[in-house]
Amino acid sequence: EADIYQTPRYLVIGTGKKITLECSQTMGHDKMYWYQQDPGMELHLIHYSYGVNSTEKGDLSSESTVSRIRTEHFPLTLESARPSHTSQYLCASSESRSGPPGKEKLFFGSGTQLSVL
Amino acid sequence: KNQVEQSPQSLIILEGKNCTLQCNYTVSPFSNLRWYKQDTGRGPVSLTIMTFSENTKSNGRYTATLDADTKQSSLHITASQLSDSASYICVVSDRGSTLGRLYFGRGTQLTVWP
Repeated sequence: EADIYQTPRYLVIGTGKKITLECSQTMGHDKMYWYQQDPGMELHLIHYSYGVNSTEKGDLSSESTVSRIRTEHFPLTLESARPSHTSQYLCASSESRSGPPGKEKLFFGSGTQLSVL
Repeated sequence: KNQVEQSPQSLIILEGKNCTLQCNYTVSPFSNLRWYKQDTGRGPVSLTIMTFSENTKSNGRYTATLDADTKQSSLHITASQLSDSASYICVVSDRGSTLGRLYFGRGTQLTVWP
């Protein structure tokens, strides 16, 4: 079982609120990722990090921001939530030494289901 | 455009039966192909990872095959159990960048009935 944790599991908030989705891993992985997934659709990469103080935007345009101040922690923040942000957010991590780029094994958290009213 | 297409979109089988899920891709240059199992409300869990030179890989009752020439993969589940009910996602990685970009399929939703 992967040691990667996301909180909260479910979140229902009103439009305009600021929220932070937490993600922590205890495996010492250097790479961390945030994906967005809608029902019946594919995962889309929204942010990734190669290590402390390194963050990049992914393929899907997102109004969220991330930070990587500690290796184990990769929180995602929405400054002003809107109904279009309603989705499942999945955090993942991998270790560079586990394989060449693209072949590293990804470990996913259980996700945060966000609903913005 | 790099894509990953899975079929069928959904499948219902009886407990104990076998089934095969399909994945076709156009990702190039190809690096590897993965199958993940995603239970409802959970994150995906890796089942297999196959590179260009690997034709088949097994993980218990799960057997994945890869034909890199035709760009097709299949996931065969033997003697299905109720706990196999989940979405099975095919993911293809390219080797055109240092990130090793991942392309996700939309998954096949498998339901196993008793």
